[in-house]
Amino acid sequence: GAVVSQHPSWVICKSGTSVKIECRSLDFQATTMFWYRQFPKQSLMLMATSNEGSKATYEQGVEKDKFLINHASLTLSTLTVTSAHPEDSSFYICSASPTGAVAPNEKLFFGSGTQLSVL
Amino acid sequence: DAKTTQPNSMESNEEEPVHLPCNHSTISGTDYIHWYRQLPSQGPEYVIHGLTSNVNNRMASLAIAEDRKSSTLILHRATLRDAAVYYCILPHYSGAGSYQLTFGKGTKLSVIP
Repeated sequence: GAVVSQHPSWVICKSGTSVKIECRSLDFQATTMFWYRQFPKQSLMLMATSNEGSKATYEQGVEKDKFLINHASLTLSTLTVTSAHPEDSSFYICSASPTGAVAPNEKLFFGSGTQLSVL
Repeated sequence: DAKTTQPNSMESNEEEPVHLPCNHSTISGTDYIHWYRQLPSQGPEYVIHGLTSNVNNRMASLAIAEDRKSSTLILHRATLRDAAVYYCILPHYSGAGSYQLTFGKGTKLSVIP
């Protein structure tokens, strides 16, 4: 099956610094990628949808200036958490669609997640 | 958007079949029913999806009620590796020009050796 690689698996940073998380589709081109956040014992919450070559669409309540998303190529999307604070500590997960998620019967492929801890 | 309702948790003995229910009484005629699962400390993985007919794949079977207001994910022989949170999801079209998955709380399946 299609593989989505997410890096790093975990990261610890100091408050006020920025952290970049990479999401790569290894064996397919992903025109659309999604970024989710998951707090402990909670479900995944969609943060934003990114389409290659265009600006990301953020969900209500997600600060676009804090969570910078770049989808510059068909195989790579990055999420940068700027000026991270302890409340940003969470499990961040990306997913990708090889066909742009334009039909309801398409399946998404997920990365293995990045655990961010902000001290 | 149609919502789904699942039990918070279920238990199964190893090597026994498991039936995970999902209610989606407000489903529309064009809504697909998807199942994903999330193992501990991992991203979700696709399990199966269907529209009207029952579906089988190497991981599981999906039984869809005739009125489509409920469905059941069937794991034929639970293994310890099947312990996960199982999500029943109806993808919905978003303003971003694509279908999205909205994750509910899912069902946490525990498998007893």
